[in-house]
Amino acid sequence: EAQVTQNPRYLITVTGKKLTVTCSQNMNHEYMSWYRQDPGLGLRQIYYSMNVEVTDKGDVPEGYKVSRKEKRNFPLILESPSPNQTSLYFCASSFETGGTYEQYFGPGTRLTVT
Amino acid sequence: DQQVKQNSPSLSVQEGRISILNCDYTNSMFDYFLWYKKYPAEGPTFLISISSIKDKNEDGRFTVFLNKSAKHLSLHIVPSQPGDSAVYFCAASAGYGGSQGNLIFGKGTKLSVKP
Repeated sequence: EAQVTQNPRYLITVTGKKLTVTCSQNMNHEYMSWYRQDPGLGLRQIYYSMNVEVTDKGDVPEGYKVSRKEKRNFPLILESPSPNQTSLYFCASSFETGGTYEQYFGPGTRLTVT
Repeated sequence: DQQVKQNSPSLSVQEGRISILNCDYTNSMFDYFLWYKKYPAEGPTFLISISSIKDKNEDGRFTVFLNKSAKHLSLHIVPSQPGDSAVYFCAASAGYGGSQGNLIFGKGTKLSVKP
């Protein structure tokens, strides 16, 4: 089954404790991206990757790191999480079919930083 | 400054009637627009898209209209069904034909279709 998986789905952590949210896709997609969803703010892009070893900042990259060492994986790293990073995070991937830019989203990771 | 605006946080429609969701954008470089639907506890799913070279795209009950001069697009759902109840996000990209890059989403409109 074609899908984007994220782990963990739920995480409660404390300020300053490094964490990684994994994202994996099995569709051989070139493009992957991370978003956060906050009440009243919609979806905001954190980082994206056009291909292996190619990453770029989205709208809200501060406090986050990413890496794209292999095509299928795109982990999101919070080196020193803070309470303002409490949010719902989505990973997405896409391929280009006639320029549709359709992105397939994972189920989300709800992160709480206390 | 918001580049993609969905000014109606919510919309309520009777089953069988038309639902019209609106979206405005400010960046004239945007050349590709998408609508995503999101149910609670799930990731968004792609619904329909339109490039700036068109003014209409239709897929079953869903039609997206683009008015470039007004920097406005709308999603029409006809007829509306209770299963359409979800949050709808409008998104825009300046990357058609090449770089997908940065995708900008609106804040979403919650559609409720009443039986």
